[in-house]
Amino acid sequence: QVQLQQSGPGLVKPSQTLSLTCVISGDSVSTNSAAWSWIRQSPSRGLEWLGRTYYRSKWYNDYAVSVKSRITINPDTSKNQFSLQLNSVTPEDTAVYYCARDRRPFGIDYWGQGTLVTVSS
Amino acid sequence: DIVMTQSPDSLAVSLGERATINCKSSQSVLYSSNNKNYLAWYQQKPGQPPKLLIYWASTRESGVPDRFSGSGSGTDFTLTISSLQAEDVAVYYCHQYYSPPYTFGQGTNLEIK
Repeated sequence: QVQLQQSGPGLVKPSQTLSLTCVISGDSVSTNSAAWSWIRQSPSRGLEWLGRTYYRSKWYNDYAVSVKSRITINPDTSKNQFSLQLNSVTPEDTAVYYCARDRRPFGIDYWGQGTLVTVSS
Repeated sequence: DIVMTQSPDSLAVSLGERATINCKSSQSVLYSSNNKNYLAWYQQKPGQPPKLLIYWASTRESGVPDRFSGSGSGTDFTLTISSLQAEDVAVYYCHQYYSPPYTFGQGTNLEIK
């Protein structure tokens, strides 16, 4: 059974960096059969896919255009986890953030518990 | 980006009756190499992450009751709940994973009439 456990601060000040971590159990961040994604949800933007990291002989990333200049998703093979960094946040980045497993071609099948991140001074 | 549009935004159905939710994509999500539609349906209850119900437009995820079914191909898809149960009250989302950036519909809020 795959489990994804998220951690990170729930409050971030404007212009600072949002950082979240997702620890994987029951699978490997280095697997060739999945990708590891971050998705956020807010009343104004709905469910918004932010990006993913995956390993296919080397590491790849895909990012949403809306955050591409500000986002980094990194794997950490030593801890079997992956992380999200979103720079220069504004109140528009306030949302529930989810990590998730993308088991192509079957879709996103496992989600973390979600972390409400509020951007406020 | 592929835009996903669901209808209706909200729906009230009596217990035991059929519920139907539609989803339209702005371009085809049919993957020609395997003839599969990269379209999924999720159920989300308050305070929980979305739960995968259907992938490949019509394949039920393991453990999902058979009253849930999906149909459609190309750009037009439907989620049907054949006999609504109280525990089915939730928001339902369609989702395309044909190509990044992946996108979701705006959600359909399903209630009991």
